[in-house]
Amino acid sequence: NAGVTQTPKFRILKIGQSMTLQCAQDMNHNYMYWYRQDPGMGLKLIYYSVGAGITDKGEVPNGYNVSRSTTEDFPLRLELAAPSQTSVYFCASSLAGGLDEQFFGPGTRLTVL
Amino acid sequence: RKEVEQDPGPFNVPEGATVAFNCTYSNSASQSFFWYRQDCRKEPKLLMSVYSSGNEDGRFTAQLNRASQYISLLIRDSKLSDSATYLCVVNRHSGGYQKVTFGTGTKLQVIP
Repeated sequence: NAGVTQTPKFRILKIGQSMTLQCAQDMNHNYMYWYRQDPGMGLKLIYYSVGAGITDKGEVPNGYNVSRSTTEDFPLRLELAAPSQTSVYFCASSLAGGLDEQFFGPGTRLTVL
Repeated sequence: RKEVEQDPGPFNVPEGATVAFNCTYSNSASQSFFWYRQDCRKEPKLLMSVYSSGNEDGRFTAQLNRASQYISLLIRDSKLSDSATYLCVVNRHSGGYQKVTFGTGTKLQVIP
């Protein structure tokens, strides 16, 4: 099993550009999450999903959108990138939500200039 | 007050030392607790779950104190490879879903 995979590993965007961060898991987990981690800070939840077709906002959803058309994939869309979105983005999945271990992808390092 | 608070450190300890970290949480309805380890520029990985009765895994012991609302992690006989940031995670029900909150992490540096 590959676990949780994320692409790209690195990306530099210009202000106002858009992009999609890809996340996929092959563990048949229902729960999937997107976090961002700023330097020296904890992880902040952007969006999460409890199953295909069901998504909801986390703590810091502004400027982002998600979709969950399949169990495996949970892409994160950045519209109109801003310097404040410079961060490391982690995708994670779990079998039983908050009561269970979360498995993380390797992260995407995004810089907005 | 933050929902989950950790001392950021760094804790600089010599090899072989015993070190302990605490993590306090503000919501008494919190249900499940974990310690994750994060190496520099890597993703977090589960170190251990924290049970009400406490649990031990080799050199690592985790405990939960619900009365004082904190969890702790004890590392005995520290190794150089234990150098990392340790994140506590607290979960509770909120509005029909599980609210997951990560602490900002405690940095441990084990020195030779």
